[in-house]
Amino acid sequence: DAGVIQSPRHEVTEMGQEVTLRCKPISGHDYLFWYRQTMMRGLELLIYFNNNVPIDDSGMPEDRFSAKMPNASFSTLKIQPSEPRDSAVYFCASRPRGADTQYFGPGTRLTVL
Amino acid sequence: AQSVTQPDIHITVSEGASLELRCNYSYGATPYLFWYVQSPGQGLQLLLKYFSGDTLVQGIKGFEAEFKRSQSSFNLRKPSVHWSDAAEYFCAVERSNDYKLSFGAGTTVTVRA
Repeated sequence: DAGVIQSPRHEVTEMGQEVTLRCKPISGHDYLFWYRQTMMRGLELLIYFNNNVPIDDSGMPEDRFSAKMPNASFSTLKIQPSEPRDSAVYFCASRPRGADTQYFGPGTRLTVL
Repeated sequence: AQSVTQPDIHITVSEGASLELRCNYSYGATPYLFWYVQSPGQGLQLLLKYFSGDTLVQGIKGFEAEFKRSQSSFNLRKPSVHWSDAAEYFCAVERSNDYKLSFGAGTTVTVRA
């Protein structure tokens, strides 16, 4: 299995631009999670999906952030407009139903100038 | 809400020496407990987990952890550290079956020759 795939691995953009991060979960996993890692706040859960449906988005920082999962094999996290404080590493993770472990992707390092 | 404390931000250990990383959690019941490792530029890899049963759990790469209910702790240990163990280590907790991981701030381990 290829594991969780994230793209791009690195993204540099300017303040005010729209940013879209992509995630392909492990095939057959029902749950998908988006995390953000910063020096100040550590690793935070932003949102998670079950069978493509958002279950808990209480960690999404503000309306500039949105996440979708149009099908079982693809999810996006969008920031519009982006701000320098959004600079972080964004991780996607997936988990099979009935299992107890999340599997993390390699992350996308976002830099907003 | 649960919280996770990793008291040590940075630990330096000599190659071949033992290592212990501390983790304390705050939660009314016994949560699910995890240790993850993150190598530079990489995603998170699960080292081990505890849900119930034997309080000493074995993981990958020669790591083990001991759950102590009375101390609300889940400390990670390795008897003999290798240079490749230099990484950042995260303790995480999940309330029983709610799928949301809360992470500690992480401990960075440096291994000196």
